Amino acid sequence: KQEVTQIPAALSVPEGENLVLNCSFTDSAIYNLQWFRQDPGKGLTSLLLIQSSQREQTSGRLNASLDKSSGRSTLYIAASQPGDSATYLCAVYNAGGTSYGKLTFGQGTILTVHP
Amino acid sequence: ETGVTQSPTHLIKTRGQQVTLRCSSQSGHNTVSWYQQALGQGPQFIFQYYREEENGRGNFPPRFSGLQFPNYSSELNVNALELDDSALYLCASSSDRGDQPQHFGDGTRLSIL
Repeated sequence: KQEVTQIPAALSVPEGENLVLNCSFTDSAIYNLQWFRQDPGKGLTSLLLIQSSQREQTSGRLNASLDKSSGRSTLYIAASQPGDSATYLCAVYNAGGTSYGKLTFGQGTILTVHP
Repeated sequence: ETGVTQSPTHLIKTRGQQVTLRCSSQSGHNTVSWYQQALGQGPQFIFQYYREEENGRGNFPPRFSGLQFPNYSSELNVNALELDDSALYLCASSSDRGDQPQHFGDGTRLSIL
């Protein structure tokens, strides 16, 4: 059974800091890994998707890396801004059976960036 | 391109009632997955529909059921509501059963009194 853990559970930083969010998973037989952002009471916004054959993806100030063999991913946020405040969720996509796949999520990291 | 839309946005029910939640998938997507997110937790996989057939199911009882229609929109039905069913219900669509990105709607907040 796939389990996903995110560390830290919460993080509070001053504006401008670079920061790293961590995600680990127990079953390395994944198709891909996604990082999502969730604002309070809202749905999920996909930030980055890394296929199992890739090592990293970048979008603007965000960089996500994947080490499939060790079951780890990191999300790096450069020059953080108050608008980055949200919950960040890591999810891995596994085969759930012979005909379908599913996302397994971590519990998220609550990020607060204060001015 | 129209994204994933869910209705209603909020719903209040009492224990024992039944509820139907709706999801319109993104244009061109034939796969819909439903997730339950309790407060402070990550989403949990309920089930997936592909071309109108249930394609896989998570650890949820049979009182959670669904449908997918020819236009690939979907419904989640929950019977005999319990207090623990209070959660944000998220729908995600994708273009295949495989490893294509899943696109999420804003969810339906269900409160059970």
